[in-house]
Amino acid sequence: DAGITQSPRHKVTETGTPVTLRCHQTENHRYMYWYRQDPGHGLRLIHYSYGVKDTDKGEVSDGYSVSRSKTEDFLLTLESATSSQTSVYFCATGTGRILTYEQYFGPGTRLTVT
Amino acid sequence: QKEVEQDPGPLSVPEGAIVSLNCTYSNSAFQYFMWYRQYSRKGPELLMYTYSSGNKEDGRFTAQVDKSSKYISLFIRDSQPSDSATYLCAMRQGNSGYSTLTFGKGTMLLVSP
Repeated sequence: DAGITQSPRHKVTETGTPVTLRCHQTENHRYMYWYRQDPGHGLRLIHYSYGVKDTDKGEVSDGYSVSRSKTEDFLLTLESATSSQTSVYFCATGTGRILTYEQYFGPGTRLTVT
Repeated sequence: QKEVEQDPGPLSVPEGAIVSLNCTYSNSAFQYFMWYRQYSRKGPELLMYTYSSGNKEDGRFTAQVDKSSKYISLFIRDSQPSDSATYLCAMRQGNSGYSTLTFGKGTMLLVSP
């Protein structure tokens, strides 16, 4: 998995509680991404980062915030979890080099909001 | 209309069959096309990528892009049970990390022994 870990791997939480998911990489990749994957929707980009403290919104960013204070860590926060945020969350990294198209994905975090 | 359309399947084939997986897209600015493979409860992994129109072959896999029709395909020859997975097409406009990927919903492939 190109040195990408996600924590926790599974989490059950209640509606209205804050949740933070962590992505950690050991590849020194500049770009990091957070996706959610849902049946019928596929993979959708939530937020991404193109450097420390540099982030931007993706397709489905409402209700989520991110932070990147170190190259290796990218945090995704659900300020007040809702049942619609029940999903599998994937972190990915990329070098961003020309002709290098690959994004490397982590193992995923399965989040259930009850 | 979603930017990228992909039939979710499942597509069931016997071992040894030739498999054809397809995506259509609406954004003519897409230039880079990728296929990812995702095993159950795992993260996606890059299988193949192509730039613009044409074919690219890698072992049993061939990726084909027809930009005039906005249509991409992945062919798998001599399919194996280990090919059973969900296949996601993905595409992007530019060639840097600023240019994000747009994914299809994925097609589930089941190869029976």
